[in-house]
Amino acid sequence: GIQVEQSPPDLILQEGANSTLRCNFSDSVNNLQWFHQNPWGQLINLFYIPSGTKQNGRLSATTVATERYSLLYISSSQTTDSGVYFCAVVNQAGTALIFGKGTTLSVSS
Amino acid sequence: KAGVTQTPRYLIKTRGQQVTLSCSPISGHRSVSWYQQTPGQGLQFLFEYFSETQRNKGNFPGRFSGRQFSNSRSEMNVSTLELGDSALYLCASTTPGGAYNEQFFGPGTRLTVL
Repeated sequence: GIQVEQSPPDLILQEGANSTLRCNFSDSVNNLQWFHQNPWGQLINLFYIPSGTKQNGRLSATTVATERYSLLYISSSQTTDSGVYFCAVVNQAGTALIFGKGTTLSVSS
Repeated sequence: KAGVTQTPRYLIKTRGQQVTLSCSPISGHRSVSWYQQTPGQGLQFLFEYFSETQRNKGNFPGRFSGRQFSNSRSEMNVSTLELGDSALYLCASTTPGGAYNEQFFGPGTRLTVL
């Protein structure tokens, strides 16, 4: 089945720094989503981005479907950005989201 | 519009018991999916229901089952609980209009099996 790899696995930043999280996937996809998992476990939708570029405040994302990768940019990071960021895709055959292992972001003040 | 709701939020069971978890999707969403999250295996797809029919199923044993009602609410059941079933169970509902649309998650049910 489709493989989703996220990098880096862990990221430690000072408040105010910028970061780029990467998601590589092994097959064509019809859906790609980025999530932030809060300390209580809920997955918060950041972007639905099967292709192209989107921005939402300090966050933006780009998916290059032909090259099978997506990037999540976090600018001017804040301590509240801490948590685990997941990339998930749905392949052409199914409706299930296939998740990467996540990037754990720690932002200190 | 209210989000996806899941009940109960926390549950403690003992080995061999069974458990039923409930999920109410966002109003107007007809597809409901279930996922299991464990530290070792990460987030894994359990099954998906659409219009009361199971449309897709992950690689889990038959002890894991689910159903969907006519109002799109869904339940999942785990029978003969094992220690390894301790996990966060997440439910997601999908925007209408196609199979590849955005999924929104509930807060999860944290199950502990003793």
